[in-house]
Parts: sequence; C-alpha cells; structure tokens
Amino acid sequence: AQKITQTQPGMFVQEKEAVTLDCTYDTSDQSYGLFWYKQPSSGEMIFLIYQGSYDEQNATEGRYSLNFQKARKSANLVISASQLGDSAMYFCAMREGDYGGSQGNLIFGKGTKLSVKP
Amino acid sequence: DADVTQTPRNRITKTGKRIMLECSQTKGHDRMYWYRQDPGLGLRLIYYSFDVKDINKGEISDGYSVSRQAQAKFSLSLESAIPNQTALYFCATSDLGSKDSLYQETQYFGPGTRLLVL
Repeated sequence: AQKITQTQPGMFVQEKEAVTLDCTYDTSDQSYGLFWYKQPSSGEMIFLIYQGSYDEQNATEGRYSLNFQKARKSANLVISASQLGDSAMYFCAMREGDYGGSQGNLIFGKGTKLSVKP
Repeated sequence: DADVTQTPRNRITKTGKRIMLECSQTKGHDRMYWYRQDPGLGLRLIYYSFDVKDINKGEISDGYSVSRQAQAKFSLSLESAIPNQTALYFCATSDLGSKDSLYQETQYFGPGTRLLVL
C-alpha cells in the first residue's frame, strides 16, 4: 500500500482564487512529520511547509496553509490567492518517527500538477 | 550563492560508463541524501549519510555507490551506467537545528542533475 497518496494528478485554478491539493498518508507511527514541496518546471525542489504529528494547530507559511486532519490521516495543502508563479508540481512527503521506519527516508507522493489560469 | 550545489547539472553518458555526481553544501548540515526522480513519480531515496563515517542504503541502492568525502561533500557514483538509471537526481541536506527529533527535520534540496544514459 502506498504511504503517501495524492489523488489529483492535475488541477486547474483561476488566478487569485484559493486551491486545495489533497494528500492522505498511511503510518502506524505516532511521531511523524508531513512536508510539502513545490517543483517548478525548472526542476528544483522547494520546501513549502511542515506539520508535525503532535502539532495542535495547522501550519501556515504566507499563502500556504496545511489542513491537518489527524484522524482522517490527511494533510491537504491550501494555497490562497493563487498566482501564475504557483504553476508547478506539488509533492506531499512524510518522514516517520525515530522508532518506526527508516531514519533517513522521506517518503514522497507522486505529485499534483497545478496550473494557474490568468 | 546556492546552499546546496550539484555538478554536473546535465549529463549524457553511454551504457557501461562510470559516472560520478557531486554534491556540495554550505549549510553546515550533518545529514546528506541522494534521491532519484523518474517521470510521473515522486522521489525515491538511494543513499543517506548522517555524518562522514555513517552511510546507509536507501530504498533503491542497487547499482549505485556513494562517498562522503567531508561534512560538506557527498558523491554518488554509477559504476556501470544502464539506461534505466536515466532520471533526475537530487542531493538534499538536513540538520536538527532547534528541533528534537529526526522526523521534524526539513530536507533542503539541490537543483538536481539530469542524467541520460544511452
């Protein structure tokens, strides 16, 4: 079974509107971290936002926020006021706790391609 | 200057050739990683190193080897390249900083190396 599932291969959003990118995860660990990365067409991987499994509040970083629903094992990324420069691939990733999986492994989903329309 | 650099940025080689990809970082991080990305997939971990004397295999280490020459340098070698090693290769670094546990660490990625094996 996949550990990170991103069900939306591609999405479109109108400029200035908000968009939610879905991510569900599967782990038996109590301690884990959830990450979102952006990959523009140029190829680099840019860190956006982090949510820890014990964090009670949803993480926010500027226009990015993470809608964390622990019971549902979901960590959706919300981008507010979309800009043309937000067009990119977005990857959800998880790192499991010290006593669970590999200490080195950041597990990635297959990504969602977001296209922002002017 | 970029914190994590990779050389070369692009490389074309032939089947059976030995090739080395290099990664350098100025972030002062102890932990370094090599990932590969194939079209339509997320990233998969090849090797990781928690310090100069600690090197570990990741999910897909077969056909690869690594060398941690110094805290700041981590090289990936393909001893005898094959076409299915054609991919985008990323180096990443991380450090605990003010965090308590490994799962809270953010990994920061280099710009990637596009490798084509003919």
